[in-house]
Amino acid sequence: GDSVTQMEGPVTLSEEAFLTINCTYTATGYPSLFWYVQYPGEGLQLLLKATKADDKGSNKGFEATYRKETTSFHLEKGSVQVSDSAVYFCALRRPPSGGSYIPTFGRGTSLIVHP
Amino acid sequence: EPEVTQTPSHQVTQMGQEVILRCVPISNHLYFYWYRQILGQKVEFLVSFYNNEISEKSEIFDDQFSVERPDGSNFTLKIRSTKLEDSAMYFCASTRREQTNTEAFFGQGTRLTVV
Repeated sequence: GDSVTQMEGPVTLSEEAFLTINCTYTATGYPSLFWYVQYPGEGLQLLLKATKADDKGSNKGFEATYRKETTSFHLEKGSVQVSDSAVYFCALRRPPSGGSYIPTFGRGTSLIVHP
Repeated sequence: EPEVTQTPSHQVTQMGQEVILRCVPISNHLYFYWYRQILGQKVEFLVSFYNNEISEKSEIFDDQFSVERPDGSNFTLKIRSTKLEDSAMYFCASTRREQTNTEAFFGQGTRLTVV
């Protein structure tokens, strides 16, 4: 079945450091890929998405490129801020072979940014 | 901006008791989901709901679980007789379309603690 694997956290960085959170997936067909972010006390919010191979999603300085050859969708940001501290979830959604378009999530990666 | 709201934010219950988790999806959305996340583990799909019936459910969603949309706005998850292992964060989500490239919108979650 479909699955999403994320690097284990927490990831701890100093402000202005470069961030990479790895995400790889297993799915048949052509899924769309998403990154969600969960700030403390809030729900999951869509951060960015990419719907086909080689697409780059970007938002708030974060980027991720849909790499079909490596089945990856790594999240990057050039210079993190304390306000980026949150849990980041990688997810996919694909056309069903039967049933609904159920989004599949990874376990989430906690990011802690120190001043 | 429209959002999915969940109540309560935290529920503590005794083992064997029934709990009802409530969600108000975005008003023009048609597809609804419940997910859960046990601490430190991945976000797991429980059930999807469309047109007043379950469209798909996972192995986790056994006879102890039920969902309903009693009044056209609320979407509830009931656990009939809670077990310790039901302790988790429960997320409600909704989406307007069943399309690969359409993101789901999530509530802030209900933390259920079974003691």
